[in-house]
Amino acid sequence: EDQVTQSPEALRLQEGESSSLNCSYTVSGLRGLFWYRQDPGKGPEFLFTLYSAGEEKEKERLKATLTKKESFLHITAPKPEDSATYLCAFLSGGYNKLIFGAGTRLAVHP
Amino acid sequence: DGGITQSPKYLFRKEGQNVTLSCEQNLNHDAMYWYRQDPGQGLRLIYYSQIVNDFQKGDIAEGYSVSREKKESFPLTVTSAQKNPTAFYLCASSIYQGKAKNIQYFGAGTRLSVL
Repeated sequence: EDQVTQSPEALRLQEGESSSLNCSYTVSGLRGLFWYRQDPGKGPEFLFTLYSAGEEKEKERLKATLTKKESFLHITAPKPEDSATYLCAFLSGGYNKLIFGAGTRLAVHP
Repeated sequence: DGGITQSPKYLFRKEGQNVTLSCEQNLNHDAMYWYRQDPGQGLRLIYYSQIVNDFQKGDIAEGYSVSREKKESFPLTVTSAQKNPTAFYLCASSIYQGKAKNIQYFGAGTRLSVL
């Protein structure tokens, strides 16, 4: 069965303290791995999509990487405004179906 | 501004009542989706539609119904058969050509509670 697991469930960082969020998956034939940011009470905001192992994408303080079994979201020198829940998802099935992890709640304190 | 509009932001349902959540997009996207989000869980797919007048059940379709009469609109009805409707409902859309077809964009959500 296709599934995705995110860790840790919650992460507290001091401003400027770099860290990484993990998304591990088991899927028969990965067709795309997606990262979203979700603020409380709002819809997810698209960040990155990765299609093949070894691929990397960057946006400001965020960098997403992909291997054959997992993806990492690296946060460099985070700021309080980076506080949010980060969701990963992968494409499954013959149609455009996303399987989501439960997310990592990130809190960055000044 | 192009985007996905969900309404209302908050909705309350009485026992035995059907309620309808609205989702409109002006992105000219072909495909639209409804997800349900519960605390501590990932988003789960309720229904999706790839073209007008066609839609398919997702993983948790029981107690829900949809229609797709226009490309821009994909309303979700939560029926009285859905015994645990309290959740955050999210609508999404995507184009359907090339690799960009895989990127789903989300609305701001509707929070449904039971009175």
